[in-house]
Amino acid sequence: AQSVTQLDSHVSVSEGTPVLLRCNYSSSYSPSLFWYVQHPNKGLQLLLKYTSAATLVKGINGFEAEFKKSETSFHLTKPSAHMSDAAEYFCVVTHGSGNTGKLIFGQGTTLQVKP
Amino acid sequence: EAGVAQSPRYKIIEKRQSVAFWCNPISGHATLYWYQQILGQGPKLLIQFQNNGVVDDSQLPKDRFSAERLKGVDSTLKIQPAKLEDSAVYLCASDGGVGEQYFGPGTRLTVT
Repeated sequence: AQSVTQLDSHVSVSEGTPVLLRCNYSSSYSPSLFWYVQHPNKGLQLLLKYTSAATLVKGINGFEAEFKKSETSFHLTKPSAHMSDAAEYFCVVTHGSGNTGKLIFGQGTTLQVKP
Repeated sequence: EAGVAQSPRYKIIEKRQSVAFWCNPISGHATLYWYQQILGQGPKLLIQFQNNGVVDDSQLPKDRFSAERLKGVDSTLKIQPAKLEDSAVYLCASDGGVGEQYFGPGTRLTVT
């Protein structure tokens, strides 16, 4: 069975400081991993995806994530937070790299950015 | 390129009433998904269509929920009768087969 655990339900950072959102996964297959962002009253937007190519994945808006098989982790980072980054972030796992099939979402991490 | 469209955006009904949601996926996307997102949780898959066929409906409460995608394009999700615990955001997503799902804005359902 596949699952993801987001280790922090809420993260608060100051504008201009680094962001770290932590995610561990469990998968019986070679997983595909994603990070999605959800702004209030907006749809889910794909930030980045890992599908067994490069382990360091760069996404939109300066975010990146590193796939670490030995640690079963896929943490999301950004060097410098912006006020517009405040949102809900979801770590997601599935198997396969073509048709994504069933996405398994984590519980979400709320990112607060303080001025 | 137009995104995934959903309507209505908001719906308030009383328990035991029925409700229907509509989704129009991105043009050309064969795979369509309906997810339920309860407040404070991540989305949970209800049903997956490939063209007009059901691929996975294992988590759909079939005693009250139904969904169809008759012509392999638009889809409707229906709840009859609604319960209080059905209050959630219902998200539609589509996938063009390149490993990415694109989500619509969702329908926020409140059951009173």
